[in-house]
Amino acid sequence: GIQVEQSPPDLILQEGANSTLRCNFSDSVNNLQWFHQNPWGQLINLFYIPSGTKQNGRLSATTVATERYSLLYISSSQTTDSGVYFCAVEGGGSNYKLTFGKGTLLTVNP
Amino acid sequence: NAGVTQTPKFQVLKTGQSMTLQCAQDMNHEYMSWYRQDPGMGLRLIHYSVGAGITDQGEVPNGYNVSRSTTEDFPLRLLSAAPSQTSVYFCASSSRAQETQYFGPGTRLLVL
Repeated sequence: GIQVEQSPPDLILQEGANSTLRCNFSDSVNNLQWFHQNPWGQLINLFYIPSGTKQNGRLSATTVATERYSLLYISSSQTTDSGVYFCAVEGGGSNYKLTFGKGTLLTVNP
Repeated sequence: NAGVTQTPKFQVLKTGQSMTLQCAQDMNHEYMSWYRQDPGMGLRLIHYSVGAGITDQGEVPNGYNVSRSTTEDFPLRLLSAAPSQTSVYFCASSSRAQETQYFGPGTRLLVL
């Protein structure tokens, strides 16, 4: 199956700093999503981005499908951005059978 | 519109006991899935369903059963609980027409 690797595994920032999270995957994908798991455990979808670039407020994501990686940018980080960020991919054309990376644990200090 | 709901929120079982984790969605989504999350492992797919009456195995199906008699409900059954099934379980749903998965709040299971 598809392998998903995320880096860095842990990241500590001061409030206001910018950061880039990376997701590498081992095969072509039809579905790539970024999720944020908050400290209470809730998983929230951030982006559906199998290719191209999207932006939502302070967050943006870019996927270069031909080179098999995706980047999540967080600008002007806030303490509420803390949590685990997961990349999840699916290579079979469906939207329901995702393979997750192990995540990046982000801590934003005030 | 409640989205994806899961019950119970927390459960303690003894080894060998059976139980059912409930999952329901009110968005008329065709697809539903169960994942387990273990420390340092990310989420792993247990079983999934592409519609009522249709289920299939994911990455880690052993020890779990599912059925999908209605579009709304997708229960996960633990047949004989083992300590290795201690985990947080998430149910998710998505639509064929939409691009994103929606997750429930999770069920934390402890097997002693």
